[in-house]
Order: sequence, then C-alpha cells, then structure tokens
Amino acid sequence: AQSVTQPDIHITVSEGASLELRCNYSYGATPYLFWYVQSPGQGLQLLLKYFSGDTLVQGIKGFEAEFKRSQSSFNLRKPSVHWSDAAEYFCAVGSGGYNKLIFGAGTRLAVHP
Amino acid sequence: DGGITQSPKYLFRKEGQNVTLSCEQNLNHDAMYWYRQDPGQGLRLIYYSQIVNDFQKGDIAEGYSVSREKKESFPLTVTSAQKNPTAFYLCASSIGDPTYEQYFGPGTRLTVT
Repeated sequence: AQSVTQPDIHITVSEGASLELRCNYSYGATPYLFWYVQSPGQGLQLLLKYFSGDTLVQGIKGFEAEFKRSQSSFNLRKPSVHWSDAAEYFCAVGSGGYNKLIFGAGTRLAVHP
Repeated sequence: DGGITQSPKYLFRKEGQNVTLSCEQNLNHDAMYWYRQDPGQGLRLIYYSQIVNDFQKGDIAEGYSVSREKKESFPLTVTSAQKNPTAFYLCASSIGDPTYEQYFGPGTRLTVT
C-alpha cells in the first residue's frame, strides 16, 4: 500500500538558518509528489510538485525539493528560513488515476528569532 | 477571484445531531474531496467525487455522507453515527489529472459536545 512518512514531527531552527524537511514514500509506480504548507487554522497551500523531468524542483517562497528514486525520498529545503515560514508542512503522494493524495503526518516548523 | 469557500469557519453541535458542512468552488474543477484533519495524523480522505452525481468512499467514510448535485458544490454531512466527529474538515478540488495539485479551502472546525 502507498504511504508517506515524515520522520520529524517538530523541527526548530533559527531565523536565517538552512532547513531540510524529510519525506519518504512507498509507491510502486512513478510517484507524483507534492509539498504543502499550512498555517494554523488555515487550508493547505501548494509549495511545489514533482511528476517527471528534472529531479530538483523549485517552488514558491524560496523552497526547493529533490526527488531521489533510489532513496524513495522527496526532501524539502530552504537555504535561509524566515520567521514567516513557521507553519506545518505536509508531503503527499498521488495515488491512482483519480488524483487521490496520501499525506504524511506533517512536520511542524518553529522559527526562533 | 477563483477559489474554494467553506462555511462556516467554526461549527458547534450537540452529540446526536447531524450537521452539514458546505463546500463551494468556482474553479470549474471536476473533482472534489473531503478530508479530516486531526493533530498528528495528517489528512485522511473521507469522500471524493470525480463528476457530478458520482462519488466514492475514501479511507474513513463511516459516519459521513455526501452529495454532488452540482459541479460547484460538494456538501458533507457528519451524521450521529460518526463516533468522534470533532475535527478540522478540509475540502479540496482539482481538475482530476494526477499530475495536477489539489486546491484547498480554508477549512471548518467542528466541535461536538
């Protein structure tokens, strides 16, 4: 069965530091992969997506992610974190022909000034 | 402005009452989805619909019902059979192609006492 694992429940970084959020997936075919961000009490906003081509994808707000098939990973990175990046981040894999998404449990990011 | 609206933002009900959550989209998307979000569990799919007058159960459909009489609307009813209805409910839509992302509404927080 398809699944998504985000190993880190909480991460705290200092403002200006680099960030990497981990995501591992289990999926038999070529995966469609997404990263979403959620501010408290809000809906989800797409940061970036991968479905083919260049394995390093750029997203909004200065985020990027790299697809590594050999490691079944799709880690999210940002070179310099801003206080406004504090939120919860969800990795998701597309499942099946009806655009169903399977979500990881999320990583909550806190940013220290 | 195109988007997804969910109303109300907060909803309170007494145990044993059915309650209907509204979801409307003006993105002309064919597919619509309902998710339930609980702390530490990510998003879990309740129901999804690919076209008008058709919908399928997701992973946690017990105690919920939906209808899709119009392309723009996908209301969710939380019935008294749902054992733990207190949660944050998110509606989403997409064009239905698995390489395209889902767009999310702002969510409805339901509290049942």
